[in-house]
Amino acid sequence: NAGVMQNPRHLVRRRGQEARLRCSPMKGHSHVYWYRQLPEEGLKFMVYLQKENIIDESGMPKERFSAEFPKEGPSILRIQQVVRGDSAAYFCASSPRISGRDNTGELFFGEGSRLTVL
Amino acid sequence: KQEVTQIPAALSVPEGENLVLNCSFTDSAIYNLQWFRQDPGKGLTSLLLIQSSQREQTSGRLNASLDKSSGRSTLYIAASQPGDSATYLCAVGDYKLSFGAGTTVTVRA
Repeated sequence: NAGVMQNPRHLVRRRGQEARLRCSPMKGHSHVYWYRQLPEEGLKFMVYLQKENIIDESGMPKERFSAEFPKEGPSILRIQQVVRGDSAAYFCASSPRISGRDNTGELFFGEGSRLTVL
Repeated sequence: KQEVTQIPAALSVPEGENLVLNCSFTDSAIYNLQWFRQDPGKGLTSLLLIQSSQREQTSGRLNASLDKSSGRSTLYIAASQPGDSATYLCAVGDYKLSFGAGTTVTVRA
């Protein structure tokens, strides 16, 4: 059973370009979460998605960031007009059910996508 | 707002010694507490999940306890090995996990 798959693992962009990060959840998991780990900081929640729905985007920056989880294909985190401050590791996690509601929603994380903005 | 603190920030022990990693959180109304391991440049590996109704979980050489009333969890790693060297993260919450800064462990051969 493959784990959470993220690609690319490393991405380099120049300021003003767009970055697209992809995440395929574990088989059987319908809940996807994106987290960001800035240099020298802890992981911070960004967004929670189910198929075709954004459930909670309270951690997303108000501008330039968007996320989707289409009916078919991976979840995508999109960063438009990147700036140096966007350089970070972006982690995707998935769970088979909502974590907390029935107290059994363990989150499984991918290897992360490391974005460097020049 | 949930604040998660991990002490110590770094720990170096000789091989074979038991490890004790501490995690404290400010809001005791939690759903789950998860311990993760992160190797440099790698992702997070889930080690143990303790549900709010539980007091501890065990997996092999790992044991984690949870005391919600005092806002604390402790991860014990018995008979440490060099392969245990990594950063250990504590996280609290439902899907919106609040992470500590981690404890970086070095096990010396």
